[in-house]
Amino acid sequence: GAVVSQHPSRVICKSGTSVKIECRSLDFQATTMFWYRQFPKQSLMLMATSNEGSKATYEQGVEKDKFLINHASLTLSTLTVTSAHPEDSSFYICSARDQRAPQPQHFGDGTRLSIL
Amino acid sequence: AQKITQTQPGMFVQEKEAVTLDCTYDTSDPSYGLFWYKQPSSGEMIFLIYQGSYDQQNATEGRYSLNFQKARKSANLVISASQLGDSAMYFCAMREGYGTGTASKLTFGTGTRLQVTL
Repeated sequence: GAVVSQHPSRVICKSGTSVKIECRSLDFQATTMFWYRQFPKQSLMLMATSNEGSKATYEQGVEKDKFLINHASLTLSTLTVTSAHPEDSSFYICSARDQRAPQPQHFGDGTRLSIL
Repeated sequence: AQKITQTQPGMFVQEKEAVTLDCTYDTSDPSYGLFWYKQPSSGEMIFLIYQGSYDQQNATEGRYSLNFQKARKSANLVISASQLGDSAMYFCAMREGYGTGTASKLTFGTGTRLQVTL
């Protein structure tokens, strides 16, 4: 069964709306989670590393004020796309690593975000 | 320079045949891990196989095997006895170092779309 749960699986909303995506590790604690973005027919690009109890580490070119990440507990990280616009439409997917069993990273099922 | 290179944007294979998906990597870190993931059209990332840089033997998981050639920096995925359900995107990925936190992040290749035909 799934070890990482991501919710919602699909979001369609109006431009200017803020959207929150949740990523939960179901049967393990994850001090670190990762957020990726994937455009159609392209690869996964790492956006940021979510660290429990501290600030997220963003990849170059990713706007931290646009993509707010909160990792308030050992099993939950959230990504909030603030004031979303059509260019933010994409597939967002999270992953987490079980420290007890280093391999592999477990991925959520992803969130398809469509901004009208 | 690209850290992970997958040179085959698309591949076709007949059912029950074997297929090799290519992956080359570039790193100066002596400790690294190589992964293959399958992504069907529904979008989820399914872990297939892992190879550590210090592993002496090639990794195998059922019908999947990894042809690890360290000197050539290649980690090709071999799928034996292909099935229609194997049709999907396949991504090669690398993690540099064995650390925790940001050192755990994966870098992905551009992927290969595999089509299994009757």
